[in-house]
Amino acid sequence: NAGVTQTPKFQVLKTGQSMTLQCAQDMNHEYMSWYRQDPGMGLRLIHYSVGAGITDQGEVPNGYNVSRSTTEDFPLRLLSAAPSQTSVYFCASSYSRGSTYEQYFGPGTRLTVT
Amino acid sequence: GQQVMQIPQYQHVQEGEDFTTYCNSSTTLSNIQWYKQRPGGHPVFLIQLVKSGEVKKQKRLTFQFGEAKKNSSLHITATQTTDVGTYFCPGGYNKLIFGAGTRLAVHP
Repeated sequence: NAGVTQTPKFQVLKTGQSMTLQCAQDMNHEYMSWYRQDPGMGLRLIHYSVGAGITDQGEVPNGYNVSRSTTEDFPLRLLSAAPSQTSVYFCASSYSRGSTYEQYFGPGTRLTVT
Repeated sequence: GQQVMQIPQYQHVQEGEDFTTYCNSSTTLSNIQWYKQRPGGHPVFLIQLVKSGEVKKQKRLTFQFGEAKKNSSLHITATQTTDVGTYFCPGGYNKLIFGAGTRLAVHP
């Protein structure tokens, strides 16, 4: 299994540009989520999905859109990039084994908005 | 959502010293998870605690869940340089709120 994959690894955008961060998992996980991590900061939840066709907002959803058309993919769209969105973005998925809901994280996408 | 406060935010120890980080919630937690993130890496799941008063060990790491299920701790015995990183204790099942974590620096 590849686990959770994210593309691209690095991206530079200009203010106002739009782009989509890709996230895919091959573990048949129902739950997927997106976090952002700013330098020296913790992880902040942007959006999450409990299954195909179902998404919900996290702590910091403004400026981001998501959709979940398949179990495997959970793309994150930046509608109009702003310098405040410079961050490292992590995608995660969750596998239910009894009462354990451990999150598997992807390697991250480092985004710079100039 | 469930919010968990973690202290300290930063800890610097000499190799071989013990280290403890604490998580506190104002509300009862259904469960608590612990993750470790190495510098430049992504968070990696360590363990989940579900039962009141639960204690689990992983080699030099000891995890505890309080009797009231409102607090948790991670204790590392005899730290090593491989323990360097940030430790997070998010609560909840799906909508995990991570917070700032505790950053551990270990000097040889």
